[in-house]
Amino acid sequence: AQSVTQLGSHVSVSEGALVLLRCNYSSSVPPYLFWYVQYPNQGLQLLLKYTTGATLVKGINGFEAEFKKSETSFHLTKPSAHMSDAAEYFCAVCGTYKYIFGTGTRLKVLA
Amino acid sequence: KAGVTQTPRYLIKTRGQQVTLSCSPISGHRSVSWYQQTPGQGLQFLFEYFSETQRNKGNFPGRFSGRQFSNSRSEMNVSTLELGDSALYLCASSPWDSPMNTEAFFGQGTRLTVV
Repeated sequence: AQSVTQLGSHVSVSEGALVLLRCNYSSSVPPYLFWYVQYPNQGLQLLLKYTTGATLVKGINGFEAEFKKSETSFHLTKPSAHMSDAAEYFCAVCGTYKYIFGTGTRLKVLA
Repeated sequence: KAGVTQTPRYLIKTRGQQVTLSCSPISGHRSVSWYQQTPGQGLQFLFEYFSETQRNKGNFPGRFSGRQFSNSRSEMNVSTLELGDSALYLCASSPWDSPMNTEAFFGQGTRLTVV
């Protein structure tokens, strides 16, 4: 069975600081991995995805993630946090015609 | 290109009633999935339809059902509503016509409150 674990349900960073949101996955087959962002009272917006090929994936809004098979990780980073990055972030792995989501990490950006 | 449209955005129902939620996918997408989002359980998969066929179903009671029409629009129905059914219901649209083409686009959701 496939699963995703997000470490840290809440993360706070100062504006301009590095953002690091952690995601570890479990999968018996090569995984397809995704990061989504959710703003209050909104749906999910895709930030980036990993299917095959380059392990460093660049997404929208300056976010990127690196697929590390040896560590079964797919952590999300952004070099410099902006106030507008405050939201909830979900890591997901693609299963059989469905997504399996992590529990989410709420990012707070401090002025 | 229009995004995924879910209607209604907000709904208040009484325990025991039934409700139908609607989702119009992105044009050309044949896969529609439904998810329930609650603070306690997070995002949980309900079911997925592709060309009117249900290909996968999550671990929800039979009160939750869905269908997809020939134009790919989908509806989900919840009968005999319980307080615990209060949630944000999200619809996702995807081509999902190959293992490589699974990127999902989500609607804004329907916020269901059961009182």
